[in-house]
Amino acid sequence: EIVLTQSPGTLSLSPGGRATLSCRASQSVSSSFLAWYQQKPGQAPRLLIYDASSRATGIPDRFSGSGSGTDFTLTISRLEPEDFAVYYCHQYGSSPPYTFGQGTNLEIK
Amino acid sequence: EVQLVQSGAEVKKPGESLKISCKASGYSFITYWIGWVRQMPGKGLEWMGIIYPGDSDTRYSPSFQGQVTISVDKSISTAYLQWSSLKASDTAMYYCARLHSTSWYSPAHYWGQGTLVTVSS
Repeated sequence: EIVLTQSPGTLSLSPGGRATLSCRASQSVSSSFLAWYQQKPGQAPRLLIYDASSRATGIPDRFSGSGSGTDFTLTISRLEPEDFAVYYCHQYGSSPPYTFGQGTNLEIK
Repeated sequence: EVQLVQSGAEVKKPGESLKISCKASGYSFITYWIGWVRQMPGKGLEWMGIIYPGDSDTRYSPSFQGQVTISVDKSISTAYLQWSSLKASDTAMYYCARLHSTSWYSPAHYWGQGTLVTVSS
């Protein structure tokens, strides 16, 4: 089973700032089958990025993903107030079961 | 429009059985994998398992194998998650989620609203 480790656990930034979230896999993620989700309190997760760098439908272009192999990054270029949430990475490159990272809490500074 | 509508919150006692549901609409139910994700209070997301409604091919995460059963009823486009004997540690929010494409190498794109299961004596 591929283990995903996200860092940092908590990131404190101000609106307008730039957020860089990391996700490291215990072994190479096949074909960059890695996604990022945003979850706000009381809501289901929302798919932001899939296949490491493709934005899901309706996701603003301030969200971008990069990386391959074992190291992946989610960047939010200009933080809006609604971006403060918990972010999870998720790999689907191995046959099920899939795995999630433990999450990064992006909070307002 | 793709929609996944889950059954309502449940309060159960340890040892009781439970089956929660996820009704799909807006797409061909039998051609997309659909899975279940657990989120314990204040914790992260955990994949429990996934099923292909076309032939009921089911895969479980090791932590959940033997603990739950995932099934579908194609006639009513509904997926299920069931327990035969609940424990207090099963207290959590449970989400169903449909994959983005028809391949299982695909992220969860559409999510249900979640079903809160509380197990307490």
